[in-house]
Amino acid sequence: RKEVEQDPGPFNVPEGATVAFNCTYSNSASQSFFWYRQDCRKEPKLLMSVYSSGNEDGRFTAQLNRASQYISLLIRDSKLSDSATYLCVVNRRTGGFKTIFGAGTRLFVKA
Amino acid sequence: SQTIHQWPATLVQPVGSPLSLECTVEGTSNPNLYWYRQAAGRGLQLLFYSVGIGQISSEVPQNLSASRPQDRQFILSSKKLLLSDSGFYLCAWSYGARSYNEQFFGPGTRLTVL
Repeated sequence: RKEVEQDPGPFNVPEGATVAFNCTYSNSASQSFFWYRQDCRKEPKLLMSVYSSGNEDGRFTAQLNRASQYISLLIRDSKLSDSATYLCVVNRRTGGFKTIFGAGTRLFVKA
Repeated sequence: SQTIHQWPATLVQPVGSPLSLECTVEGTSNPNLYWYRQAAGRGLQLLFYSVGIGQISSEVPQNLSASRPQDRQFILSSKKLLLSDSGFYLCAWSYGARSYNEQFFGPGTRLTVL
């Protein structure tokens, strides 16, 4: 079992749809959590940090459930420009520093 | 503001040839630095990270090595490339003093080993 698992995707949605990405992590010592966006053949770019209290940035909402070891990203009113791969990232420091990237979920938003 | 540079952007090398990829960061001091590889259609794999000059931690055994000769310079090397070394190599940095550790990526080097 992978330490960070995401929905395999791809997701194909029309413009204006609401899309939810899910991510689970297996190591309870994980300490910080992020969502990144990666466009085709480009570097990942930080989209949001994920806090226990949840956080929102415009159309994007991220939530963390430590008890269930679960992270989510919600995109409302999706745009064509939201088409990309969304990566869940988990950091932990036990046994030395470790950053683990999920495999990513590809999103296609269509007109 | 902080910027991160990587070069070259693309590279085609024969099997058995050496490799040197360079990454530099501007606008910050004492960053943590990272090297990742992303194989085609796959997720990112952390190869090395460094918390200071001369301090390198390796995540997976492989044909590669890393060095940090200066505070904001990180180099990825190989003495003899393998076909399996092909991939998208990404350098990243994070604030050294912050435990939250958002990482910021450079534009990457796309390496093809023939």
